[in-house]
Formats: sequence, C-alpha cells, structure tokens
Amino acid sequence: SQTIHQWPATLVQPVGSPLSLECTVEGTSNPNLYWYRQAAGRGLQLLFYSVGIGQISSEVPQNLSASRPQDRQFILSSKKLLLSDSGFYLCALAAIRAGVRQTTDTQYFGPGTRLTVL
Amino acid sequence: SQQGEEDPQALSIQEGENATMNCSYKTSINNLQWYRQNSGRGLVHLILIRSNEREKHSGRLRVTLDTSKKSSSLLITASRAADTASYFCATDVQTQGGSEKLVFGKGTKLTVNP
Repeated sequence: SQTIHQWPATLVQPVGSPLSLECTVEGTSNPNLYWYRQAAGRGLQLLFYSVGIGQISSEVPQNLSASRPQDRQFILSSKKLLLSDSGFYLCALAAIRAGVRQTTDTQYFGPGTRLTVL
Repeated sequence: SQQGEEDPQALSIQEGENATMNCSYKTSINNLQWYRQNSGRGLVHLILIRSNEREKHSGRLRVTLDTSKKSSSLLITASRAADTASYFCATDVQTQGGSEKLVFGKGTKLTVNP
C-alpha cells in the first residue's frame, strides 16, 4: 500500500527566509502528486500537481514553486516566505488508472507540515 | 466559488445520533469523494461514489449522489465521539493538460458529544 512521508512535521520560519518542504512516497510508481495548503479552519487549496518527473502544473500564482526531481519525490520551495504562507501543507498522491484519459480516484495524504511564518 | 461546498459548516450532535452533511457542486463529475480530517492531521479517504451510482454504503457511512441536483450527502449513523472530525467532499475536475484533479470543499466540522 502507498505511504507518504513529509518533513519536517512543523516549521517556524521568519519572513523573507527560504523554504523547502519534502514529500516522498512509497508503494507506487508514476503517481500523480499534489501539494495542498490549508489555512486554519479552511478547506484545501491546490497549489501544484505533477503527472511525472519534471512536470509541474501551478494552480495559484504565488511566491511558491514545486519540483519533482524523482518519480517519488515532490518538493515545495520558496525563495522568500511571506506571512500569508503560514498554513498546513499537505502532500497527496493519486494512483492513475490508464484509459481514454487519465482519471483520478482516491487520493492518499501525507501527515502534513505545519508552517508558521513570523 | 468552490466546485464543492459542504453544509452545514459546523454540526454538533450527541453520541448515538445520526449526522448528515451535504455537498453541492457546479460542473459535471465522474466521481465524488468524501474525506475525513482529524485536527492537525492529513485527510483520510472515506468513500467514493461514481456518477452512475445513486447510493453507496460503507459500515456506518451512507453516501447518496443526485447528479440532477448536483448534490451529495454523507450520513453517519449511530455516531461516536471518535467521529469528531472535519469532513470534506471532493469532485474531479479535468485540467487543461488532460489529467484530472480533485477540488475540495471547505468542509463540515462535526463534533460528537459523549
């Protein structure tokens, strides 16, 4: 079964500092990978998704970026954090069913990283 | 606005009662999913219902889907204190690149009082 690791679990960073959050997955190959952000008491906002190595799609223009250097590694980065970047960051994967077009079924979520920008 | 929106935003019930949460969406879907999130944790998949299904059961969970009304409901029967969590619906949306993504609602926060 799929397993998703995220680190760090919690992070406190000053405004203007860089950021690197890492997500690694096990138990699957060539998954779609996703980064979400959840503000306190809110729903999930999709930030980036990736259908393969080096393939990144951005959902929301902002000062964050994502990379997928390996099939099972997804990294979220920022060169300069803003106060508004605080939140709970979740990595997720979806196993893909091949067909006429890709369809997305169940997503599996990692434990999340709590980021506080001060 | 959100593709999927749950209501109510918050629900407080007593242990043993049933809890019903609703989700409305805007565009056509292939499937609709419900997820649960305990405070400060990742989301856990509960159940998926496809667009050609009307009702689905899993243990104490019952999900209905009405594609004509673009709505779904999640019923938790005989609730327990351990059911306290936030519940999200998610619908699939096709991206410009041809793959699909899930769009989540803002969730219903359920509190089950012992």
